[in-house]
Amino acid sequence: GEDVEQSLFLSVREGDSSVINCTYTDSSSTYLYWYKQEPGAGLQLLTYIFSNMDMKQDQRLTVLLNKKDKHLSLRIADTQTGDSAIYFCAETLLSAFKTIFGAGTRLFVKA
Amino acid sequence: EAQVTQNPRYLITVTGKKLTVTCSQNMNHEYMSWYRQDPGLGLRQIYYSMNVEVTDKGDVPEGYKVSRKEKRNFPLILESPSPNQTSLYFCASRLGQGSGYTFGSGTRLTVV
Repeated sequence: GEDVEQSLFLSVREGDSSVINCTYTDSSSTYLYWYKQEPGAGLQLLTYIFSNMDMKQDQRLTVLLNKKDKHLSLRIADTQTGDSAIYFCAETLLSAFKTIFGAGTRLFVKA
Repeated sequence: EAQVTQNPRYLITVTGKKLTVTCSQNMNHEYMSWYRQDPGLGLRQIYYSMNVEVTDKGDVPEGYKVSRKEKRNFPLILESPSPNQTSLYFCASRLGQGSGYTFGSGTRLTVV
């Protein structure tokens, strides 16, 4: 079935690295995304990765894709208090023209 | 500024009173979608549109209607709202099938 799974909470100390994990179920998904939602706001696209890539780095963000295990992760280096937000993993099912979101991981950053 | 604009931001209404949430994008995007966000459930797609006059049901379409008469506008209509439609609603648009979405700021709807 179609289901994107994430853990609900993650707590880290300021300056540490954060790793947010996600599993997806559709091997035909070609595009995988990470979105960030701050309180009272809509989702903001952080980064994305094509399924023919294993890794993508963008400043403090590193995305790793393990297609065999259908596992996607987002690593935030040197986590800051401003990174506190909900992070959503999403996949686009090209066969169905739709994007499916996980339930979101709430990241708490302790000063 | 490239954006998706939803109105209103907050709405409290009574059961059965028809309402429309408007959505407009200024990026000439072909794809538009409506999602609802509920605690612990993430975002669930209500309806989506691939182009003008082309709409299709998402995962939770019951109780909702949409229309796409113009490329920029994609209103969400609740003909007879019920309390289980109390939620946070997001409109989103994207350029193509693999592009990421640009989201509106959300509409928090309460049906009493």
